[in-house]
Amino acid sequence: QITLKESGPTLVKPTQTLTLTCTFSGFSLSTSGVGVGWIRQPPGKALEWLALIYWDDDKRYSPSLESRLTITKDTSKNQVVLTMTNMDPVDTATYFCAHRRDRGGPFDPWGQGTLVTVSS
Amino acid sequence: QSALTQPASVSGSPGQSITISCTGTSTDVGIYNLVSWYQQHPGKAPKLMIYEVSKRPSGVSNRFSGSKSGYTASLTISGLQAEDEADYYCCSYAGSITYVFGTGTKVTVL
Repeated sequence: QITLKESGPTLVKPTQTLTLTCTFSGFSLSTSGVGVGWIRQPPGKALEWLALIYWDDDKRYSPSLESRLTITKDTSKNQVVLTMTNMDPVDTATYFCAHRRDRGGPFDPWGQGTLVTVSS
Repeated sequence: QSALTQPASVSGSPGQSITISCTGTSTDVGIYNLVSWYQQHPGKAPKLMIYEVSKRPSGVSNRFSGSKSGYTASLTISGLQAEDEADYYCCSYAGSITYVFGTGTKVTVL
């Protein structure tokens, strides 16, 4: 059974850097094809894809946020870390991580999500 | 990379069928058969309902089906049930291993 869980601060100040960790079980990021993605959802709004990292360390970012995002993996710890710089109140959202079985596969399953509020 | 366009809301009575559209462009839905659909109940994580346009994961009811024509993908829910009331999002591959989600549709069971 694949499970994922997001962790990180619930409150960050404007201009600070956000660091979120996705800890997973039931699969390995050293398995060919496998990936983990990050998706966010502002309160009452739609989902927005942020970033992806694959087993071979291939990394992809949303073009609109690429300059602010970094995604890394620690295969030994079964973790994926997302950092987002220069946080702004519009970045207030629930941040989800999700498993991908291959580059063409869907996001499945998802973690429960973690709400991050950006406020001074 | 703009969000895919979905109707804000769709409603139907129990037992009826409803269809949710998801309109993209020639750089996403129009050229890739990598459209997926997610169901999200309030306060919950999204759940995969359809992938690769029309494939259904094991455990998902066969009342859910997907299709695509041109730049528009569609999710049909037949035999609408109260438990189907939720938000639904489409997602498409958009080239260079990037993805785009839809604007979301609230389904109401009358």
